[in-house]
Amino acid sequence: AQSVTQPDARVTVSEGASLQLRCKYSYFGTPYLFWYVQYPRQGLQLLLKYYPGDPVVQGVNGFEAEFSKSNSSFHLRKASVHWSDWAVYFCAVTRTGGYKVVFGSGTRLLVSP
Amino acid sequence: NAGVIQTPRHKVTGKGQEATLWCEPISGHSAVFWYRQTIVQGLEFLTYFRNQAPIDDSGMPKERFSAQMPNQSHSTLKIQSTQPQDSAVYLCASSLGGGAYEQYFGPGTRLTVL
Repeated sequence: AQSVTQPDARVTVSEGASLQLRCKYSYFGTPYLFWYVQYPRQGLQLLLKYYPGDPVVQGVNGFEAEFSKSNSSFHLRKASVHWSDWAVYFCAVTRTGGYKVVFGSGTRLLVSP
Repeated sequence: NAGVIQTPRHKVTGKGQEATLWCEPISGHSAVFWYRQTIVQGLEFLTYFRNQAPIDDSGMPKERFSAQMPNQSHSTLKIQSTQPQDSAVYLCASSLGGGAYEQYFGPGTRLTVL
C-alpha cells in the first residue's frame, strides 16, 4: 500500500534561513507526488507537483522539491524563508491513473524573527 | 472563480443530532473528494465522486455517515446521530479528474459535537 511519512512534526527556522522539509514515500510503480500548504483556518493549497520527468520541481513562492527514487524521498526546500511561510506542509502521493491521494501527517513550520 | 465553497464554516451540534455539510465544487470539475482532518488522525480520505457518481466510499464510517452528489454543483456529507468523536474539520476538494490532477480544497467546515 502507498504511504507517506513526514518524520518532523514541527520545524522552526529563522526568517531568511534556508529550509528543508522531509518526505519519504512508499510506493509500487511510478508515483505522482505533491506538496500542499495549509495556512491557518484555510484549506490546502498546492505548492508543487511531480510527474515523471525532471526530478527537481519548481513551485510557487520560491519552493522547490527533489524527487529521489533511490531514497524514496521528495523533500521540499526553500532558500530563504519568510514569516508568511508559517503554515503546515503536507506531502502527498498518488499513483499513475489513480484517484486516491494519500497525505502525510504534515509538518508545522514555525518562523522565528 | 470563487474556488470550492463549503458551508457552514462552523457547526455546533449536540450529541445525537444530525449535521449536514455542503460543498460546491469549482465549475467544470468532475471529481469531488471529502476528507476529515483531526490533530490525532491527520487528513483522512472519506469518499470520492466522479461525474456525480460515487466511486469510492471506503473511508466513510459505515454507520451514520453518508454522502451524496445530486447534481454537478453540490455535494453533501450527512452525519446522523453525531458523537463527540465526529468533531473535526471536514474538507471538500474538487479536481478536473483523478488523483494526478491538482485538488482544490475548500476552507473546511469545523464541526463541534458537544
